[in-house]
Amino acid sequence: GQQLNQSPQSMFIQEGEDVSMNCTSSSIFNTWLWYKQDPGEGPVLLIALYKAGELTSNGRLTAQFGITRKDSFLNISASIPSDVGIYFCAGQLDFGNEKLTFGTGTRLTIIP
Amino acid sequence: NAGVTQTPKFQVLKTGQSMTLQCAQDMNHNSMYWYRQDPGMGLRLIYYSASEGTTDKGEVPNGYNVSRLNKREFSLRLESAAPSQTSVYFCASRAGTWGEKLFFGSGTQLSVL
Repeated sequence: GQQLNQSPQSMFIQEGEDVSMNCTSSSIFNTWLWYKQDPGEGPVLLIALYKAGELTSNGRLTAQFGITRKDSFLNISASIPSDVGIYFCAGQLDFGNEKLTFGTGTRLTIIP
Repeated sequence: NAGVTQTPKFQVLKTGQSMTLQCAQDMNHNSMYWYRQDPGMGLRLIYYSASEGTTDKGEVPNGYNVSRLNKREFSLRLESAAPSQTSVYFCASRAGTWGEKLFFGSGTQLSVL
């Protein structure tokens, strides 16, 4: 089946630094989603992308839908302590296909 | 609104025991899902229900059964638990199937000894 590879697997950064992570697929998707999971909670949607090449921002977060439809990128600017958590990408192939394929996650830790 | 509510939050089972994980949503969503989360594996779909009265297998359905009791509730049953089913289980729901926001519950941490 389809697999989504996220990198890096983990990041250790200092508060105020910018963060970049990406997600690559072995096949195309028509929707890319980015979720964040806080400890002990379920994932929460951050950004949804519906069109190849699309660049969408949500506050300090910016995500891009790769032009090949096989990748997506998430950037966080000027990180703050509440950005700590696990970030997941997810892809959906097409309408009527219920399956949302999730990436393996990027764990973000902020060093005091 | 409570959103998606899962019970229990934690559970320890012995191999061979059975149990049912409960999930309810109060957002009038059509679609409901069960995922499991394992370290380094992301979230994998176990079963889903596109609407009341229908259920379908996801990526990893073996060892599980589900029931869409009504529009609000979608339960996951382990008939004979195995150590390989030790995981964190998430229920989720969304209004439709295309590009709709997926809302997750807070998870059930299950350990099978």
